[in-house]
Amino acid sequence: ETGVTQSPTHLIKTRGQQVTLRCSSQSGHNTVSWYQQALGQGPQFIFQYYREEENGRGNFPPRFSGLQFPNYSSELNVNALELDDSALYLCASSVFGQAGTEAFFGQGTRLTVV
Amino acid sequence: AQSVAQPEDQVNVAEGNPLTVKCTYSVSGNPYLFWYVQYPNRGLQFLLKYITGDNLVKGSYGFEAEFNKSQTSFHLKKPSALVSDSALYFCAVRDVGTGFQKLVFGTGTRLLVSP
Repeated sequence: ETGVTQSPTHLIKTRGQQVTLRCSSQSGHNTVSWYQQALGQGPQFIFQYYREEENGRGNFPPRFSGLQFPNYSSELNVNALELDDSALYLCASSVFGQAGTEAFFGQGTRLTVV
Repeated sequence: AQSVAQPEDQVNVAEGNPLTVKCTYSVSGNPYLFWYVQYPNRGLQFLLKYITGDNLVKGSYGFEAEFNKSQTSFHLKKPSALVSDSALYFCAVRDVGTGFQKLVFGTGTRLLVSP
């Protein structure tokens, strides 16, 4: 098991609502990335945070936003939830600038939008 | 843009037989390649990586992968499959060209090992 923990593990929300997902990073890691994994698909990169700033984003709209805190933990916020936002959301921690090191993933948060 | 392809949605193998899960990649520059495994309702677990050096990379749980530059492949292998190896396997490449550490994943291959 990695030291990356995510909360909550499961969540059910109604379309139009807002949701916040949380992630604590592996000890010694300073970068957090978020991925969305829809059913039957591979994880898709949402964005990355380093030094409390977003420094990379995938093809996701602005209603997906995040934060990184001084202890390197992170939040993913999704506003105006849509049915298609139902997915497993994965948080990964890594060390910035070390492309050859592996990322460690949390167990994920399963979000269901109804 | 960096990408990986996993041509098989599912691989079936009998316990004790060797297994191969295929992955091909497309990158500009040197590839940083990874294999992850996902068990039901769990996150991704790192298995192994290729950065540079020997083309045969050894990883966790007896898995290994062979990097082939001429065929742009990075196939995952295990000499003797276990029923407990049944899971979803993802190949990934690190997109270093963007300046950040985005991983680009394949669509995944489900491995089923029968007793």
